[in-house]
Amino acid sequence: DSGVTQTPKHLITATGQRVTLRCSPRSGDLSVYWYQQSLDQGLQFLIQYYNGEERAKGNILERFSAQQFPDLHSELNLSSLELGDSALYFCASSVDRTNTEAFFGQGTRLTVV
Amino acid sequence: LAKTTQPISMDSYEGQEVNITCSHNNIATNDYITWYQQFPSQGPRFIIQGYKTKVTNEVASLFIPADRKSSTLSLPRVSLSDTAVYYCLVGEKRSQGNLIFGKGTKLSVKP
Repeated sequence: DSGVTQTPKHLITATGQRVTLRCSPRSGDLSVYWYQQSLDQGLQFLIQYYNGEERAKGNILERFSAQQFPDLHSELNLSSLELGDSALYFCASSVDRTNTEAFFGQGTRLTVV
Repeated sequence: LAKTTQPISMDSYEGQEVNITCSHNNIATNDYITWYQQFPSQGPRFIIQGYKTKVTNEVASLFIPADRKSSTLSLPRVSLSDTAVYYCLVGEKRSQGNLIFGKGTKLSVKP
């Protein structure tokens, strides 16, 4: 158990819909990262937050947005969903904003039908 | 961020030592080398991190030559449960860093 909690574990929704994925980082970790992993694809970095502020942005679509709340949990919002958005979405946390050891959650498997 | 190159896949047998090499020719002075392991449908797990020479922990060893243009992750006496994808990452330890993963090396351990 990495200490990073992601909910829900599975999500099935229709095209055009909007969903919210939630991540609770390890206790004490201030940095949260979001990744997308499609079938047989690598991990695509989406976005990083540190102590409530956006720190780095990757290949995140405009239909996607994220935020980190004062209690440090984070949410990834995906809207106008398309079939191609079906993927595993991982959240990771680390104690600070540097490239130290990051701990990953078990992921949320999103299926868009 | 330094670009990394790893073999796409490797095969091994139980009990053997496995060495996975990562090339990072344009590694910068402040860059560290980090390896992660990922099992299917699970999040990656940190294995080891180093800057130069050799680092060893209970899971693996990391060998980094003097020029630091490559690194080798060594897994001693692999078992079937070591079948996974292994990622090499290179970046500043103190950067405001996004962790960028390449395609990794798919290691298959056979009985």
